Amino acid sequence: EAGVVQSPRYKIIEKKQPVAFWCNPISGHNTLYWYRQNLGQGPELLIRYENEEAVDDSQLPKDRFSAERLKGVDSTLKIQPAELGDSAVYLCASSLGTTGANVLTFGAGSRLTVL
Amino acid sequence: QKEVEQNSGPLSVPEGAIASLNCTYSDRGSQSFFWYRQYSGKSPELIMFIYSNGDKEDGRFTAQLNKASQYVSLLIRDSQPSDSATYLCAVMPAAGNKLTFGGGTRVLVKP
Repeated sequence: EAGVVQSPRYKIIEKKQPVAFWCNPISGHNTLYWYRQNLGQGPELLIRYENEEAVDDSQLPKDRFSAERLKGVDSTLKIQPAELGDSAVYLCASSLGTTGANVLTFGAGSRLTVL
Repeated sequence: QKEVEQNSGPLSVPEGAIASLNCTYSDRGSQSFFWYRQYSGKSPELIMFIYSNGDKEDGRFTAQLNKASQYVSLLIRDSQPSDSATYLCAVMPAAGNKLTFGGGTRVLVKP
């Protein structure tokens, strides 16, 4: 079974440029998460989808970040314009979203460097 | 106060010893508790989860949960150099699927 697939793995851009990350979750996983992880810190939730609905985006900087999950499967996370402080690893995760122990599986991450 | 707190470490343990990691959380409504391991440059991978008070064992790993005191711990027995990584504690509420992580504890197992 394929895991959570993310692309690109690495991206280097100049500040003020746009960037987009793509995530394909595990088949059948209804819940999709985007986390940001700064060096030496734990992942911080940016947005959570239940199917195609964004149910928790309180930590998403909406002035420059946007996300979508079309048809409740793949998702994209966009930053426009990027700032130096956006340099981080962007992790996508998915889960079945059932009650009880809802286990998240993470993708390999997209490492962003903003120069 | 952070929602999930961990000592950042590093926690240095000799090979073969027991590594003990602690995590405290602020939301009394938390229902499920997870331990993830993250090697440098890699993404988090699940070690185990627990949602009942007491101990849960899986191989060399034991998770302990005390909801009254709002802490969860992870014991790694017979520590190996391959256990050197950052261990992330994560907490999920009873309602909804939001998973909140602590900052992680870095563990170094020395041969």
